[in-house]
Amino acid sequence: GDSVTQMEGPVTLSEEAFLTINCTYTATGYPSLFWYVQYPGEGLQLLLKATKADDKGSNKGFEATYRKETTSFHLEKGSVQVSDSAVYFCAHKGEGGKLIFGQGTELSVKP
Amino acid sequence: DTAVSQTPKYLVTQMGNDKSIKCEQNLGHDTMYWYKQDSKKFLKIMFSYNNKELIINETVPNRFSPKSPDKAHLNLHINSLELGDSAVYFCASSQRTGRNSPLHFGNGTRLTVT
Repeated sequence: GDSVTQMEGPVTLSEEAFLTINCTYTATGYPSLFWYVQYPGEGLQLLLKATKADDKGSNKGFEATYRKETTSFHLEKGSVQVSDSAVYFCAHKGEGGKLIFGQGTELSVKP
Repeated sequence: DTAVSQTPKYLVTQMGNDKSIKCEQNLGHDTMYWYKQDSKKFLKIMFSYNNKELIINETVPNRFSPKSPDKAHLNLHINSLELGDSAVYFCASSQRTGRNSPLHFGNGTRLTVT
């Protein structure tokens, strides 16, 4: 069935380090892909999205490219800040409307 | 001017009780959802409504009953609460059901069943 798999956390980085969080998916049809972020005690916020192959979504220094050939949507940021500490969720959505999430990856950035 | 608002934020209750969570969105969206987040942060869809019509109904116990009085509101009623119902419940909305419409989430309701 449809699913999303993310790299295991927690991920601990020093400030200004490079971040990669891997995400792969299985889907019937041609889904759109999303990254959401959840700060402690809050709801999920849309971070970025891509709706077709080779699209790059970007926001707040984060980027992810829709790779249809490898069914991947890895999240990257060149220089993380302490304020980026949160849980990051990769997700896909097909025409049926169901947004399916990965298990989440906790990021902790130390000063 | 909160976009998706849920009440209450916290709900502590005893096993066997019945409780409701309310959700409202002021984005003019057609589709609304309920998600459950467990203690390991895993998010699973429970229900989805489009223009007051139920379109997604996952394998959720019958004790959970969503109600959508209009397309801006989607409430969740839970009967005979069990310990395993303890979780954070998120309401969300999207402009349309289709693949290109992202979901906008509320801040969640933390339900604790004792």
